Order: sequence, then C-alpha cells, then structure tokens
Amino acid sequence: QQQVKQSPQSLIVQKGGISIINCAYENTAFDYFPWYQQFPGKGPALLIAIRPDVSEKKEGRFTISFNKSAKQFSLHIMDSQPGDSATYFCAASKEGNTGKLIFGQGTTLQVKP
Amino acid sequence: KAGVTQTPRYLIKTRGQQVTLSCSPISGHRSVSWYQQTPGQGLQFLFEYFSETQRNKGNFPGRFSGRQFSNSRSEMNVSTLELGDSALYLCASSGDRGSDTQYFGPGTRLTVL
Repeated sequence: QQQVKQSPQSLIVQKGGISIINCAYENTAFDYFPWYQQFPGKGPALLIAIRPDVSEKKEGRFTISFNKSAKQFSLHIMDSQPGDSATYFCAASKEGNTGKLIFGQGTTLQVKP
Repeated sequence: KAGVTQTPRYLIKTRGQQVTLSCSPISGHRSVSWYQQTPGQGLQFLFEYFSETQRNKGNFPGRFSGRQFSNSRSEMNVSTLELGDSALYLCASSGDRGSDTQYFGPGTRLTVL
C-alpha cells in the first residue's frame, strides 16, 4: 500500500524557472512532512520540512505548500539552478514517530543551463 | 560533528550467503533507522532502533534483522540472500523523539549474484 504518492516521476526545467513537485498522502495520522534531496552516490539530505499547523514554509529558494484538507503538499524550487539537478523525495511520518519515514517514489529533476 | 558513517560502502555476495552492514550514527544520536533503496520500490523503511531496542519495524521478511549497541552503533543482517536483496541500504540517525530530522549516511551498495 503506497501511502505517499509523488509526481511527476521526472521533471526538466530551464535555469531560472520554477520546479514544482507534488505529493499526496492517505493517512491522516501523518503530521510531519519532510523533503529530501539526493545526489548520485550520496544519501538523502533534508531540504525542508513542515507540520500541518502551517500552510507554507519557505527557506531560501525552497518553499513547501501544505493543504491539510486535500492531504497534499508540494515543493517549489524558485530560480532553479543546474546544481539543483538531483532526485527529490517527499516523506511523511506519524506524530512522535519520525524515525519511521514513509517516502514517495521520488522525482528526478534536471535543470538545463 | 562527523556525519553518519556506513561500512562497507560496497559489497558483493552470492545467493544464500548472509551479510552484516554497520552504521555509526552522529555523536549523541540515539535513534538509528535503516532503509532499503531500489529503483523499483524506492525508499522503504526496514526498522528503527532506539537505546538498543527495536521500536519500529517495516514490512520485510524475518531474514532482515538488526541490533543496536550501547554506543548507539547499529548493525543490520540479511540472511539467505536473494537476488532481489540487491539494493542501497541506508542508515539514518536522529537525536531522540523530540528531534525530527533524520540524517542519512552514504549507504552500503549490496549486490547479490
């Protein structure tokens, strides 16, 4: 049972453009939603995370938008750069249980110069 | 602080053998989680250990097991290896229940022939 669905599977954007990746979850007990970035040969690294008590969180060029009623959240990368080319994973976990992350399938982002 | 370290980084085994992977968490972190990453299934949670006790377990067969030592270092063991066990095995550590962020190691690439 896939509890976190991520789309698109791959994404190509031009340098300076906006990259948008979407995730939807099923379990209403989830209350922690991180986004991870992974480069080839490396482990995932936390980019930004959000909890359901806020609808948006911004850190630099990265923004999470959260829609609790729709059970959806998304990552926006503003002014996308070639160095942002990587695989992005959304994830979710239940309250007090952040040691068990349920991941989306991942999105491979390519930013063209 | 040094990051999460995993050894070995690469491993080649044959079907039927067993393997032990090691993970050293960030100093002071007491929670260690293990994940399996494959192109087909993505990132899947295996288990989490906290203070030497398994407190979460994913949907993997009993051939997959783990343990944690008093210094928080963790090992995972896979017995009777199958071709489908070929994957990148990632370890992540976090501080405790109040600390959300999981920090991932670079992973161990296991190939089963």
